Amino acid sequence: DTEVTQTPKHLVMGMTNKKSLKCEQHMGHRAMYWYKQKAKKPPELMFVYSYEKLSINESVPSRFSPECPNSSLLNLHLHALQPEDSALYLCASREGTSLYEQYFGPGTRLTVT
Amino acid sequence: SQQGEEDPQALSIQEGENATMNCSYKTSINNLQWYRQNSGRGLVHLILIRSNEREKHSGRLRVTLDTSKKSSSLLITASRAADTASYFCATVSTHGGKLIFGQGTELSVKP
Repeated sequence: DTEVTQTPKHLVMGMTNKKSLKCEQHMGHRAMYWYKQKAKKPPELMFVYSYEKLSINESVPSRFSPECPNSSLLNLHLHALQPEDSALYLCASREGTSLYEQYFGPGTRLTVT
Repeated sequence: SQQGEEDPQALSIQEGENATMNCSYKTSINNLQWYRQNSGRGLVHLILIRSNEREKHSGRLRVTLDTSKKSSSLLITASRAADTASYFCATVSTHGGKLIFGQGTELSVKP
């Protein structure tokens, strides 16, 4: 199984809502990532988890809250988002060291109204 | 904190032609990777070239790396309509494990 899955595929939420994005992989990868991607731009790193511990937070606003309940699962909790947070949110995982390639999920298209 | 620049930003070719995309970066790297992204979907890893390698092939893909010029190129030979996508180079620096993406090239292959 070389797949990273993400749910939901699409999400529309109001600025006062609380929602969560979910990412799952069963490749035994110990590093997992959240990226944000705006249209026609490259992905921007948000968070990195290594062995279920948060290792990198790219100064992301606290309205985004990551969680890694176990080695296969990564969540991104969303609260009080702004319309400019609308984007494609990508999850990725990686085996071994940082010198290896990353495997990306299909993304969640988030729209904040 | 995007590191790379890619050119061209957009490329339109006919099926069967070759497509060449270039990537430049700023810092010392461990490796350089190329990814493809179909519209609105996740990225797919294409090829990884290490800093001590100069050229690598995978099927119709050929990647070159010139560390003295801090640049790389991706050549897709005999292009197909299915190659239509955005292509990103990404580097892993010697100072950290983050993957830093270039701005991307949008390739359109017309049948």
